[in-house]
Amino acid sequence: DQQVKQNSPSLSVQEGRISILNCDYTNSMFDYFLWYKKYPAEGPTFLISISSIKDKNEDGRFTVFLNKSAKHLSLHIVPSQPGDSAVYFCAATDDYKLSFGAGTTVTVRA
Amino acid sequence: SQTIHQWPATLVQPVGSPLSLECTVEGTSNPNLYWYRQAAGRGLQLLFYSVGIGQISSEVPQNLSASRPQDRQFILSSKKLLLSDSGFYLCAWSAGSHEKLFFGSGTQLSVL
Repeated sequence: DQQVKQNSPSLSVQEGRISILNCDYTNSMFDYFLWYKKYPAEGPTFLISISSIKDKNEDGRFTVFLNKSAKHLSLHIVPSQPGDSAVYFCAATDDYKLSFGAGTTVTVRA
Repeated sequence: SQTIHQWPATLVQPVGSPLSLECTVEGTSNPNLYWYRQAAGRGLQLLFYSVGIGQISSEVPQNLSASRPQDRQFILSSKKLLLSDSGFYLCAWSAGSHEKLFFGSGTQLSVL
């Protein structure tokens, strides 16, 4: 049972423009949300997180937005750079186990 | 600083052979430890997690098992591999509840 869903398997964006990645969850108990970035044949690396008491968290070029009523979060990357080309995973938890989405492959075009 | 080591990086095994993947964490005490698997073109599936020595919880019924013989050591095993066990296996640790996970570099397992 997939509790975290990323419905867009891929996203192509031009360098310098905004990348918007979306994520939906079904478990209303989730109260901590994270985004990870993964390159091929490597482990995922943590990007940014947000607690359910907030609706926005920003770290440099990365901003995560949380809409609890819609059970939806999004990651904005501005501006997109070639090094941002990777797979992005959304994750959620209400304890110490993270549930991950299927990932969105981002390709940044020059 | 904390580091996580996972090996081997690549493994090719015949069907029916045993498996042992090892993961160790340095620079922290009593971490929560995890094994995830990423099948081709799919997301990260939690296989096992441990909140302490000898405490193992299984998320998905399968022919894999996990053990935690020491505080910072986590082992993934199988007595007989299946073709469906192929995938990218990731070990991870966290400091506790509502904490981010730190992942190892992964093991690409191909069962032929």
